[in-house]
Amino acid sequence: GAGVSQSPRYKVAKRGQDVALRCDPISGHVSLFWYQQALGQGPEFLTYFQNEAQLDKSGLPSDRFFAERPEGSVSTLKIQRTQQEDSAVYLCASSLGTSGGWVNEQFFGPGTRLTVL
Amino acid sequence: AQTVTQSQPEMSVQEAETVTLSCTYDTSESNYYLFWYKQPPSRQMILVIRQEAYKQQNATENRFSVNFQKAAKSFSLKISDSQLGDTAMYFCAFMKGADMRFGAGTRLTVKP
Repeated sequence: GAGVSQSPRYKVAKRGQDVALRCDPISGHVSLFWYQQALGQGPEFLTYFQNEAQLDKSGLPSDRFFAERPEGSVSTLKIQRTQQEDSAVYLCASSLGTSGGWVNEQFFGPGTRLTVL
Repeated sequence: AQTVTQSQPEMSVQEAETVTLSCTYDTSESNYYLFWYKQPPSRQMILVIRQEAYKQQNATENRFSVNFQKAAKSFSLKISDSQLGDTAMYFCAFMKGADMRFGAGTRLTVKP
């Protein structure tokens, strides 16, 4: 398909386990974003890549959260030593560019629902 | 920092009627973009409508239209002829460059 895909769609982890969430952006999209969406809330920004460069990680809640995009396409969000408060839906979005205008429009994936027991 | 406020956590409307969802935002920027996204229970965010701040004309997409009041920093969404498939969470979003901020959302239920 031509859209943003994420895997897995659902992940259950025991507290203290490490998890890795994958995002496949739309082909050719330069920018990639990760958001955390708590139940009943709007998405909150976590981090942003332009190609392989992580330009903003100000939204990552702790040093247990780490994101990478080594080849400028697929991205992985890793959470180490998961805690119950990490339970949320993690959304990935991509956009064509950041030069301004509608190239900035973000297209969202279906999200990964993480439940930490 | 930009903030987006949606003051209606939940709303309902009868099928075929019209409903308006409210959104206000706070920014010192003069040029930016505003969006309404729909998130059905399946969770995929879908763009409903978008507005460029430098355009005074309100955006319209079929049954969806906005009332953009730049001075008041208000960006409401009007859904006409509501359909059962419009049942979803609706998020208002503000974008400047790569920075996008969302409101907390409004849960809309369309009743038959």
